Amino acid sequence: DQQVKQNSPSLSVQEGRISILNCDYTNSMFDYFLWYKKYPAEGPTFLISISSIKDKNEDGRFTVFLNKSAKHLSLHIVPSQPGDSAVYFCAAKGAQKLVFGQGTRLTINP
Amino acid sequence: DTGVSQDPRHKITKRGQNVTFRCDPISEHNRLYWYRQTLGQGPEFLTYFQNEAQLEKSRLLSDRFSAERPKGSFSTLEIQRTEQGDSAMYLCASSLQGTNTEAFFGQGTRLTVV
Repeated sequence: DQQVKQNSPSLSVQEGRISILNCDYTNSMFDYFLWYKKYPAEGPTFLISISSIKDKNEDGRFTVFLNKSAKHLSLHIVPSQPGDSAVYFCAAKGAQKLVFGQGTRLTINP
Repeated sequence: DTGVSQDPRHKITKRGQNVTFRCDPISEHNRLYWYRQTLGQGPEFLTYFQNEAQLEKSRLLSDRFSAERPKGSFSTLEIQRTEQGDSAMYLCASSLQGTNTEAFFGQGTRLTVV
């Protein structure tokens, strides 16, 4: 069973516009959520996180929103830059380990 | 460099051989995790340590896999009698103990079993 789902395998956005990546989860015991960015042949790089007691966390161009009632979180990147092109994974923390979604490949077009 | 370090970066081995990977976590982190990632999928949890104690193992970790963290610092992951299905990226991560703590990943070891 896939406890964390990223239903969009890919997303293409024009440079300067907003990128919105979505993630859904099923386990209400998850209490901490994270977004990672991954380039080919490298390990995931931590981007931003949010605790289940919050609904928004912002860090520069990156904002994560959490809707607990809908079991949904999203990552907003604004403005999008060419260097943002990568695979983005959302992850949920429960029982001391991270459960990852399948990833969304973001492409920023000039 | 004070990040998570993994060695080797790449390993090609023949089916049936044993392989061992090493992970050096961020020095003050007492938790260490092993994940496996295959193409088109997110990382899948394999096992984790708190200090030297192995606290959880995924059912993905067959009896051909063993992990150790003998002194609570670096860790090794050994795969015995490798199979082609073991080909994947093996990722190590470390974190501080606690709920709201981020895990930081190494560069990974890409294993190819031929």
